[in-house]
Amino acid sequence: AQTVTQSQPEMSVQEAETVTLSCTYDTSESDYYLFWYKQPPSRQMILVIRQEAYKQQNATENRFSVNFQKAAKSFSLKISDSQLGDAAMYFCAYRSGDFSGAGSYQLTFGKGTKLSVIP
Amino acid sequence: NAGVTQTPKFRILKIGQSMTLQCAQDMNHNYMYWYRQDPGMGLKLIYYSVGAGITDKGEVPNGYNVSRSTTEDFPLRLELAAPSQTSVYFCASRSDRVNQPQHFGDGTRLSIL
Repeated sequence: AQTVTQSQPEMSVQEAETVTLSCTYDTSESDYYLFWYKQPPSRQMILVIRQEAYKQQNATENRFSVNFQKAAKSFSLKISDSQLGDAAMYFCAYRSGDFSGAGSYQLTFGKGTKLSVIP
Repeated sequence: NAGVTQTPKFRILKIGQSMTLQCAQDMNHNYMYWYRQDPGMGLKLIYYSVGAGITDKGEVPNGYNVSRSTTEDFPLRLELAAPSQTSVYFCASRSDRVNQPQHFGDGTRLSIL
């Protein structure tokens, strides 16, 4: 079974600064996806960014980028130019690849990191 | 642009009562999921479905039942509510096309007292 570990329960960042959230995972699969979800106080689960394991290039979405280290099984999220609206819980999640025969293709989540943005 | 719709948004139940959490999606997705999120934790899979008439257990299925009579709807049933089922419940759906993310509903906050 796959596991996802987020070792930072809480983080804080000054507005306009950069912060990196850590995530490690354990799997024996070679084909999989990794995701970062944002959960603001409104409780919605908002997809921030995703990475296909077979792609060596790190994914980027505007101010959000990842550092994907497949051999180390590490998937960190970097938020640049932090804004007050970035304050939320951030969850790292894993999903088996589309051709893995995994059945449910469920998401396996870490416990989350609470990010505070200081004005 | 309805996406995944969950009802109700909030509910308080007494121990032993039963209820059904509703989930509907209008994207013609075959895959649907029910997750629960306990305080300070990530989401855990309760049940999932890969299409109408096909359901299977996830990581934490005890105390719940599901059915999938249509592609659109995937209700979650609590038969005998227990305090341990106090949680936030999320429904999600996904296309079975390659490289598609899960779309989440806004969640149902359920308290069992």
